[in-house]
Amino acid sequence: DSGVTQTPKHLITATGQRVTLRCSPRSGDLSVYWYQQSLDQGLQFLIQYYNGEERAKGNILERFSAQQFPDLHSELNLSSLELGDSALYFCASSAEPLLRGANVLTFGAGSRLTVL
Amino acid sequence: DAKTTQPPSMDCAEGRAANLPCNHSTISGNEYVYWYRQIHSQGPQYIIHGLKNNETNEMASLIITEDRKSSTLILPHATLRDTAVYYCIVRADSNSGYALNFGKGTSLLVTP
Repeated sequence: DSGVTQTPKHLITATGQRVTLRCSPRSGDLSVYWYQQSLDQGLQFLIQYYNGEERAKGNILERFSAQQFPDLHSELNLSSLELGDSALYFCASSAEPLLRGANVLTFGAGSRLTVL
Repeated sequence: DAKTTQPPSMDCAEGRAANLPCNHSTISGNEYVYWYRQIHSQGPQYIIHGLKNNETNEMASLIITEDRKSSTLILPHATLRDTAVYYCIVRADSNSGYALNFGKGTSLLVTP
């Protein structure tokens, strides 16, 4: 158990639907990162939040959005789902950011999304 | 961030040392070298990181060349459970976000 909790573990839905993935970071970690891993794309960084605020953005589609709540858990919202959104979605957390070289991300077990 | 080049795949016999190379010839002075691995469909796992000096922890050793243009991750006694994709990532220390960009990595197969 890495300390990063992701729910649900598996999710099957239809095209056009909307889903929410949830992530609870490791205790004490202020940053949360979302990654997408599909078969042909590898691990793609989507977005990072630090203490409730967006810190960095990667290849996140406009149909996707995320937020980090005051208790530091984060949610990734995926809407108007397409077949190509089927993927593993990983959340990671890290301690921040004043420790030099402390770029150690701890990943959760992932949420597997299947869009039919 | 500096680009890294890794061989797509490697084999290693169980019990032997696995030496995974990474080329990062455009690395800047403030960029760290990180290694992560991903066992099939699990979340990536941090292994080790370093700046200039060689580093060792309970999982592995990291050897960085003097010019910092390449590095080698060493798993001293590989086991079957070390079969995974290993990612070498170069990233600067920054206050503006710590997201790591994972490339294709090296798929390591440890055989009995």
